[in-house]
Amino acid sequence: EIVLTQSPGTLSLSPGERATLSCRASQSVSSSYLAWYQQKPGQAPRLLIYGASSRATGIPDRFSGSGSGTDFTLTISRLEPEDFAVYYCQQYGSSPPSSLTFGGGTKVEIK
Amino acid sequence: EVQLVQSGAEVKKPGESLKISCKGSGYSFTSYWIGWVRQMPGKGLEWMGIIYPGDSDTRYSPSFQGQVTISADKSISTAYLQWSSLKASDTAMYYCARHEYSSPFDYWGQGTLVTVSS
Repeated sequence: EIVLTQSPGTLSLSPGERATLSCRASQSVSSSYLAWYQQKPGQAPRLLIYGASSRATGIPDRFSGSGSGTDFTLTISRLEPEDFAVYYCQQYGSSPPSSLTFGGGTKVEIK
Repeated sequence: EVQLVQSGAEVKKPGESLKISCKGSGYSFTSYWIGWVRQMPGKGLEWMGIIYPGDSDTRYSPSFQGQVTISADKSISTAYLQWSSLKASDTAMYYCARHEYSSPFDYWGQGTLVTVSS
């Protein structure tokens, strides 16, 4: 089973700053089937990025994803107040699905 | 509009059984997998397992195999997550989410809070 390790655990930044979040896989993620989700308190997770770099419908272009193989990055170019939340990566893509594991999450908090 | 609507919050005692539900609408329920995700208080997301309502093919995370049962009734477009004997450590928010091969969890239910306490 692929293990996803996210870093840092917490990122303390100010609005307007750039956020860079990392997700490292214990083995190569096939076809870049790597997604990023945002979760705010009291809400269900929301899909941000799929296929490592494609934005989901309605996601602002300040969110971007990159990477392949075992190293992936979510970048928020300029933090807006509503972006302070917890972010999770997830790998998917096996057929039939046998492992859809999540990373441990990165909390982006206001400095 | 695609929607996954989950059953309401539950408060149970240790040892009791429980079955929570997730009803899909706005899409072909039998053509997508439905996954279940646990989130313990203040913790991250954990994938529990997944079912394909079209043929009831079910897969479990090794961490949850034998601990829960996932099922579906395609006639009413509903997936279920059940426990035969709850423990205090089952206290968590449980989410269902839709999945298709080569796609992530694109739609999520609102979550069902399960509290197990004596």
